[in-house]
Amino acid sequence: KQEVTQIPAALSVPEGENLVLNCSFTDSAIYNLQWFRQDPGKGLTSLLLIQSSQREQTSGRLNASLDKSSGRSTLYIAASQPGDSATYLCAVPNTGGFKTIFGAGTRLFVKA
Amino acid sequence: EPEVTQTPSHQVTQMGQEVILRCVPISNHLYFYWYRQILGQKVEFLVSFYNNEISEKSEIFDDQFSVERPDGSNFTLKIRSTKLEDSAMYFCASSLIAGGQTGELFFGEGSRLTVL
Repeated sequence: KQEVTQIPAALSVPEGENLVLNCSFTDSAIYNLQWFRQDPGKGLTSLLLIQSSQREQTSGRLNASLDKSSGRSTLYIAASQPGDSATYLCAVPNTGGFKTIFGAGTRLFVKA
Repeated sequence: EPEVTQTPSHQVTQMGQEVILRCVPISNHLYFYWYRQILGQKVEFLVSFYNNEISEKSEIFDDQFSVERPDGSNFTLKIRSTKLEDSAMYFCASSLIAGGQTGELFFGEGSRLTVL
């Protein structure tokens, strides 16, 4: 049964700092991994999708890496800004592909 | 940019009442999903829907729940007799192809259900 774990659970950093959020999954036979952002009381915004054949994916100040064999992904945020404050979720689909399993998220607070 | 829209944004209901949550997925998407998030907990899968039938459902999705695509644009979640523990944020999502086959999930803003 696939399980997704994210550490740390919460993170507080000063503005401008580069940071790394971690995600691990127990079953390495994944098709892809998706990172989301969730603001309080809001929906999930897709940030990056990494296919199983890819090692990394970049969008602006965000870079996500994937190491399937070790069951890990990282989300790197460069030059953090107060507007980056949110909860970041990683998620992987199950083997059949119709169900996506989410981690509990990392709550990020960037101080101005 | 195409988006998934959900209504209502917030619904308060009495225990035992029926509730229908509505979603308009992205127009060219083929797979539709409902997820829920109880306050402070993980986002959890409820059901996926493709080609007018359920493709997968979780243990949560019991006989009290049903989904329907009544026309070419709407996708609904019905809870027949709400319980206190149904209080949660319900998210609709859609994808062009199934998530496991390299499909990217797009979520709506959610419908907050409060059962009193």
